[in-house]
Amino acid sequence: KQEVTQIPAALSVPEGENLVLNCSFTDSAIYNLQWFRQDPGKGLTSLLLIQSSQREQTSGRLNASLDKSSGRSTLYIAASQPGDSATYLCAVRPPRAGNMLTFGGGTRLMVKP
Amino acid sequence: SQTIHQWPATLVQPVGSPLSLECTVEGTSNPNLYWYRQAAGRGLQLLFYSVGIGQISSEVPQNLSASRPQDRQFILSSKKLLLSDSGFYLCAWSVLGSGTDTQYFGPGTRLTVL
Repeated sequence: KQEVTQIPAALSVPEGENLVLNCSFTDSAIYNLQWFRQDPGKGLTSLLLIQSSQREQTSGRLNASLDKSSGRSTLYIAASQPGDSATYLCAVRPPRAGNMLTFGGGTRLMVKP
Repeated sequence: SQTIHQWPATLVQPVGSPLSLECTVEGTSNPNLYWYRQAAGRGLQLLFYSVGIGQISSEVPQNLSASRPQDRQFILSSKKLLLSDSGFYLCAWSVLGSGTDTQYFGPGTRLTVL
């Protein structure tokens, strides 16, 4: 059974810092990995999707990497801003049909002005 | 463009009462639909998914059920709520073969069972 772990569970940084969020998964047989953002009391917003054949994806100040063989992904946020404060979730999809995702517990990020 | 709606936004129900949460998607056809629950202090858990009208698969045993009466409508129900059913319920959709293979989430329903 696939298990996804995110470390740290919570992170507080001053504005402007570069930071890394970690995600690990136990079964390397994945189809893709997604990073989501969730604001308090809101739904999830997809940030980046990395296919199993890819090593990284970039969107603006965000960069996500994937090392499938070691079961790890990182989300790098450059020059953090208070508006980046949210919970960040990673999720992996198995190669079978249906697009069922297994989510990590999330990292709650607070960027202080 | 595609949009996804959930209602109600919040709900407070007594133990033993019935439940009906609704999710509708606009702007796409034949989507895959999903119900997730996010309980306090726990991760996001997939409850049900559907690949078409009347086709429902359950990921975990529970006292909840789901139905898909129309292509873009997904309903989560219970005949008798338990305290443990409290949580934040999220509906999501995706279209396989779309290239992005991304799941798009609704705004959620906050359910409190007292």
